[in-house]
Amino acid sequence: NFMLTQPHSVSESPGKTVTISCTGSSGSIASNYVQWYQQRPGSAPTTVIYEDNQRPSGVPDRFSGSIDSSSNSASLTISGLKTEDEADYYCQSYDSSNQGVFGGGTKLTVL
Amino acid sequence: QVQLVQSGAEVKKPGASVKVSCKASGYTFTSYDINWVRQATGQGLEWMGWMNPNSGNTGYAQKFQGRVTMTRNTSISTAYMELSSLRSEDTAVYYCARRVGATWFDYWGQGTLVTVSS
Repeated sequence: NFMLTQPHSVSESPGKTVTISCTGSSGSIASNYVQWYQQRPGSAPTTVIYEDNQRPSGVPDRFSGSIDSSSNSASLTISGLKTEDEADYYCQSYDSSNQGVFGGGTKLTVL
Repeated sequence: QVQLVQSGAEVKKPGASVKVSCKASGYTFTSYDINWVRQATGQGLEWMGWMNPNSGNTGYAQKFQGRVTMTRNTSISTAYMELSSLRSEDTAVYYCARRVGATWFDYWGQGTLVTVSS
């Protein structure tokens, strides 16, 4: 079974840059697009990155996504951290059978 | 504006079934797949499957095969997710989400809490 592994939590100070990783268990993570979703407590998720590195309209350019084939991982980078960025972040992709897969989620604390 | 509005919270006994609805507005319902994702309290997101509202074609996560059915009523722009043989581990918030192309979810419903308890 294809799995996506994320760190359980990360923390950083306001104004700094943080990177959240998402590692694929098998195959090539580059074979299917990776998305990143932000979820604040009590709310539905919202997309911050789609198709590896695309930002939906309204998402600030402080959010960026990338793929590293050598480590079979995707990354979400948030620069100029703000307290409002504090949330859970999930990566998502598809396996070889086009079944959706989510990473376990990363809790970002901005302190 | 695009909206997905889900039905209200449900309480079910183990072994029962639940049917959650997701009413779409602000776009052509048959033009985008609807996916279902659930989240147990304090846990991560779990993909359940997809449905094409135009054709009615579906694809389910292996974990839910045989227990989940996704349908639609195009005349009222509403998608449905029915989960049967409920057990306590199915207690979760269930979300519908519109999928753009074959990749990302751009709009989500507000979520429906399903509680399974004897």
